Amino acid sequence: ETGVTQTPRHLVMGMTNKKSLKCEQHLGHNAMYWYKQSAKKPLELMFVYNFKEQTENNSVPSRFSPECPNSSHLFLHLHTLQPEDSALYLCASSQGQGPGSPLHFGNGTRLTVT
Amino acid sequence: QQQVKQSPQSLIVQKGGISIINCAYENTAFDYFPWYQQFPGKGPALLIAIRPDVSEKKEGRFTISFNKSAKQFSLHIMDSQPGDSATYFCAAPQADNQGGKLIFGQGTELSVKP
Repeated sequence: ETGVTQTPRHLVMGMTNKKSLKCEQHLGHNAMYWYKQSAKKPLELMFVYNFKEQTENNSVPSRFSPECPNSSHLFLHLHTLQPEDSALYLCASSQGQGPGSPLHFGNGTRLTVT
Repeated sequence: QQQVKQSPQSLIVQKGGISIINCAYENTAFDYFPWYQQFPGKGPALLIAIRPDVSEKKEGRFTISFNKSAKQFSLHIMDSQPGDSATYFCAAPQADNQGGKLIFGQGTELSVKP
């Protein structure tokens, strides 16, 4: 496999469920990101990890909990979500975090909270 | 909160025509302005980016024009093709973030009619 792989592609969960999103990058990058994409809204940065250390938490509610066990894997643990959390969740990676480090996105997990 | 204003939200162009998408930004930490292209069911992918030591960058049919004094930049797609139908996002580095965090525009949904 190449690039950035996200699983599952689609997820439907109730507000009381606990689920996890998984991201794996095969590009040898050292930075990984979670973005939220909602219809008609800009991409919203949620979390950034650089060499497994969290460097950014963009005021994300605690019902979203990220985990980065190594530079190739990133998880987003979900619990007691709200219907407004329904969105496309995108994982991305980059080599470095400076300006000019292109983001490589996965194809996302389409989350529906019922 | 810093914003990148992108227009239009949607655009319909005939095959062979020119597609023009505009973005306006506020202050930035770095001069680096990328455009991302997203096809349905896929994650965004870097299309073209400019570091404005030049006012224009061209790659094939895609051109970025940059006006630093006006804090605006635009994407021109020459000889637009149906395969260019996608959502396009501009981005700019956040002003107070030395880590290169990008602020994205809302996106432009381009449809090229045969």
